[in-house]
Amino acid sequence: NAGVTQTPKFQVLKTGQSMTLQCAQDMNHNSMYWYRQDPGMGLRLIYYSASEGTTDKGEVPNGYNVSRLNKREFSLRLESAAPSQTSVYFCASSVGVGRTYEQYFGPGTRLTVT
Amino acid sequence: AQRVTQPEKLLSVFKGAPVELKCNYSYSGSPELFWYVQYSRQRLQLLLRHISRESIKGFTADLNKGETSFHLKKPFAQEEDSAMYYCALSGGSYIPTFGRGTSLIVHP
Repeated sequence: NAGVTQTPKFQVLKTGQSMTLQCAQDMNHNSMYWYRQDPGMGLRLIYYSASEGTTDKGEVPNGYNVSRLNKREFSLRLESAAPSQTSVYFCASSVGVGRTYEQYFGPGTRLTVT
Repeated sequence: AQRVTQPEKLLSVFKGAPVELKCNYSYSGSPELFWYVQYSRQRLQLLLRHISRESIKGFTADLNKGETSFHLKKPFAQEEDSAMYYCALSGGSYIPTFGRGTSLIVHP
């Protein structure tokens, strides 16, 4: 099993450009998440999907949209990229939304917005 | 609201020295706490969780409800322990809150 996969691994955008980060998991997990990781800020939740067909905002949703395409796939879209969105983006999944459930992370996408 | 504080951005020790990575939390209920680790060029992965009460790679962590802490400890650090460590808390929202992380460097 590949676990959680993300594409692309690296991306450079110009301010105002749009792009979609792709995430897929093959563990039959119900819940999926998008985080951003910034130096000194740790991991901050952007959006999550508790189950197929639902999405909810996390701590830092502004400037992003998500789509839970099916049970396996959860994409993150930047409609008009800004330099403040330069970050490393991690997708994660878990069996469900529950207090004891472990999260499984993808390898990350390093995004630079110039 | 739930909050996780990791007071040290960077912890530098020599091989064989004891290590303690601090984690303090704020949550009024009964928390579930985790430590995740990210080795260089690898993805984040679960190291241990308090409910399991296990030792992984020589690391242990004890939940102290009185001090609202979940510090990660290892008696003898190894170079391969060098990594970024994140403490995480699952409370009422069921979505974990992560701390800002502590970078551990173990010198030979």
